[in-house]
Amino acid sequence: GAGVSQSPSNKVTEKGKDVELRCDPISGHTALYWYRQRLGQGLEFLIYFQGNSAPDKSGLPSDRFSAERTGESVSTLTIQRTQQEDSAVYLCASSWESLRAYEQYFGPGTRLTVT
Amino acid sequence: QQQVKQSPQSLIVQKGGIPIINCAYENTAFDYFPWYQQFPGKGPALLIAIRPDVSEKKEGRFTISFNKSAKQFSLHIMDSQPGDSATYFCASSSGGSNYKLTFGKGTLLTVNP
Repeated sequence: GAGVSQSPSNKVTEKGKDVELRCDPISGHTALYWYRQRLGQGLEFLIYFQGNSAPDKSGLPSDRFSAERTGESVSTLTIQRTQQEDSAVYLCASSWESLRAYEQYFGPGTRLTVT
Repeated sequence: QQQVKQSPQSLIVQKGGIPIINCAYENTAFDYFPWYQQFPGKGPALLIAIRPDVSEKKEGRFTISFNKSAKQFSLHIMDSQPGDSATYFCASSSGGSNYKLTFGKGTLLTVNP
């Protein structure tokens, strides 16, 4: 079956511009997660959704970052007024439910470069 | 604050060797310890995981060893193959916040033919 998909795969943007990153989870997965992976670093938790609500947004680095999920499916991570330190790979993952968070299936990521 | 420390950063072994990757955690509430494998350009994939009620778990050529008192766990890859060359991440989570995986910084493994 189809795995987690993310788009775009690569995004180059100028400092100060807004960007939107999209995640399509595996069909039927109710939990969805966003992570950030900086070069040479581990994955950094950003936010998780259970259905369309986000019980934990504690990992979002600043108020320039926001995310939403609609229809218990697609999620969008938005970064406003991008900064060079936002350059990273943004990974999305999904799982059947948050209680089985360890069975997270990851997408290929979106590589964001802020120039 | 880094809650999961992973070592080494990189590792090179010959085919057939047994690379060992180590992780140490600080949060005693952690009760789930997965390992992820990531190939270039791909997202991480769950490889194997352990809970603290056992000291060892094997799946194929991959083994996790867990030492609760030392708050350490490690991944062993038996009879390593060039196809095992990837970045490996350990992670931890606690039952109360099971969704929030805390990852180590990763180990780049190269298995030479």
